[in-house]
Amino acid sequence: AQSVTQLDSQVPVFEEAPVELRCNYSSSVSVYLFWYVQYPNQGLQLLLKYLSGSTLVKGINGFEAEFNKSQTSFHLRKPSVHISDTAEYFCAVSKAAGNKLTFGGGTRVLVKP
Amino acid sequence: EAGVAQSPRYKIIEKRQSVAFWCNPISGHATLYWYQQILGQGPKLLIQFQNNGVVDDSQLPKDRFSAERLKGVDSTLKIQPAKLEDSAVYLCASSPGLSSYEQYFGPGTRLTVT
Repeated sequence: AQSVTQLDSQVPVFEEAPVELRCNYSSSVSVYLFWYVQYPNQGLQLLLKYLSGSTLVKGINGFEAEFNKSQTSFHLRKPSVHISDTAEYFCAVSKAAGNKLTFGGGTRVLVKP
Repeated sequence: EAGVAQSPRYKIIEKRQSVAFWCNPISGHATLYWYQQILGQGPKLLIQFQNNGVVDDSQLPKDRFSAERLKGVDSTLKIQPAKLEDSAVYLCASSPGLSSYEQYFGPGTRLTVT
């Protein structure tokens, strides 16, 4: 079975500052990794995914994440945040295409002016 | 392209009542998922359909929850009778098929059980 831990439940950050959201996973098999964003009263939207290849993955809205197999981590970063990035961010894993997603508990990002 | 549609968006019921949620996936998507998201937690899979067949319902509390996707298109999730701990957002997601990694989520139905 897989599990996902998001180490920070809330991250306050000032506008135009960088942000990093931490995600660690546990699995007995190889997994595929995802970051989703959830804006208030909306469903989840895919930010980026790691399936194979380069460990640095670029996504939408200026986000990127780095897969580190030895540390079983998939941390999300953005060099300069905007007010509109205020949302909840979820890290997720899947063991195969078409399989369920196993989510972490989420990190709430609050961008302050 | 229209996204995943869900209704109602909000529902308040008393415990022991029944409730049903509806989901219409993106056109042509063969795989449909229902997730439960309790406040402060990440979504958890309840059931997965491939066309009109069940792929995974291992986390569905079958004594009170049921789901169907009779014609392989839209789906209904039912709770009967509801308990206080069923208060959550119920998310529906769809995917083109079992070879796809990406899931597309609807806006969810927020259920409050009093």
